[in-house]
Amino acid sequence: EAGVTQSPTHLIKTRGQQATLRCSPISGHTSVYWYQQALGLGLQFLLWYDEGEERNRGNFPPRFSGRQFPNYSSELNVNALELEDSALYLCASSAGTSGSGETQYFGPGTRLLVL
Amino acid sequence: AQSVTQLDSQVPVFEEAPVELRCNYSSSVSVYLFWYVQYPNQGLQLLLKYLSGSTLVESINGFEAEFNKSQTSFHLRKPSVHISDTAEYFCAVSDIKAAGNKLTFGGGTRVLVKP
Repeated sequence: EAGVTQSPTHLIKTRGQQATLRCSPISGHTSVYWYQQALGLGLQFLLWYDEGEERNRGNFPPRFSGRQFPNYSSELNVNALELEDSALYLCASSAGTSGSGETQYFGPGTRLLVL
Repeated sequence: AQSVTQLDSQVPVFEEAPVELRCNYSSSVSVYLFWYVQYPNQGLQLLLKYLSGSTLVESINGFEAEFNKSQTSFHLRKPSVHISDTAEYFCAVSDIKAAGNKLTFGGGTRVLVKP
């Protein structure tokens, strides 16, 4: 069974540009989570999508947004990039059936570098 | 709101020696507890989790963690480490009553196993 996949693996942008990151969950999983792993800031929850809807977001500005498609894949968009957006962005999926004790399965991440 | 503190940012240890990674949490609500491992250049993998029942939980690769409610701790131990255990370990919590599974992570502990 294929795991969570993310693309691209690396992304280089300049300040002010927009970045689009993609995630495909494990087959059958309906929930997708996005986390930011920035140097010195650790892993922080960004967004949660389930059944096509945004269910929760972390303490990030509105220029971080995304969506979930009918096939449950997801896209994270970061507008007006700032230098501090440079980070590893991790996507995780879960079955979405068992509440907050459910295991999340993580992808390998997209490393975004903003110059 | 929850917070997680991992007291050691780095733990060097010799092969076949025991290791303990400390995790303390603070929360106004009941939480589930998780340990995730991140091998170099990879995403996170679930090591073990505590949902309910026995406070001692074990993983398939020899790690164990004990939930101590009075001390709000969930320390991770392994009696004998291998070179392959070199990785970063993250403790995380989620709100039991929350919909979905937003994880709050600690800052991580980097374990370096020396021959």
